[in-house]
Amino acid sequence: AQKITQTQPGMFVQEKEAVTLDCTYDTSDQSYGLFWYKQPSSGEMIFLIYQGSYDEQNATEGRYSLNFQKARKSANLVISASQLGDSAMYFCATDVSWGKFQFGAGTQVVVTP
Amino acid sequence: GAGVSQSPRYKVAKRGQDVALRCDPISGHVSLFWYQQALGQGPEFLTYFQNEAQLDKSGLPSDRFFAERPEGSVSTLKIQRTQQEDSAVYLCASSLAPRGRRYFPDTQYFGPGTRLTVL
Repeated sequence: AQKITQTQPGMFVQEKEAVTLDCTYDTSDQSYGLFWYKQPSSGEMIFLIYQGSYDEQNATEGRYSLNFQKARKSANLVISASQLGDSAMYFCATDVSWGKFQFGAGTQVVVTP
Repeated sequence: GAGVSQSPRYKVAKRGQDVALRCDPISGHVSLFWYQQALGQGPEFLTYFQNEAQLDKSGLPSDRFFAERPEGSVSTLKIQRTQQEDSAVYLCASSLAPRGRRYFPDTQYFGPGTRLTVL
């Protein structure tokens, strides 16, 4: 069964700096997807970025990029030029068989001025 | 366009009451998922619909939990005889594609959730 691990329960980052959020996964599947979501205090899960296991290039979406290292089974999220509005919980997820997602425990990011 | 909507946003129930939580997916989305999120944890899968068919209900914690999507659009998650351990945020998500193929990368879009508190 797939397993997602986020080892950083919380992080502080200064505004305008970059931050890397760790995510490792454990799967025996050859085809899978990795997703990152942001959950602000309002509670809604906001989709940020996706990486397919067969994608050769790391995914990027604006200030978000995914550092995908398939051999190490890691899919770290990099947020560049942090903004105060980036303060939120961040979840890594993978799609197990038939589409249901398995989420990690999350990392709380606090951006300070 | 409109995203996934859920109602009510907040629900307080006395232990033993029945509750019904509603999810309106994005129009045209075939797949619909329910998740339960306890405080400080990641969401946990409850059940999955493809159109009106409930294809996976392996995550429902007990037979007090029941979900339906009778016309393949709006879905309702019902919890009978609520217990304090049912207190959580219930998230609904939808995605465009069916899950007929073994693998199809398909992003799930989430609603704002319903925060259920059982007293």
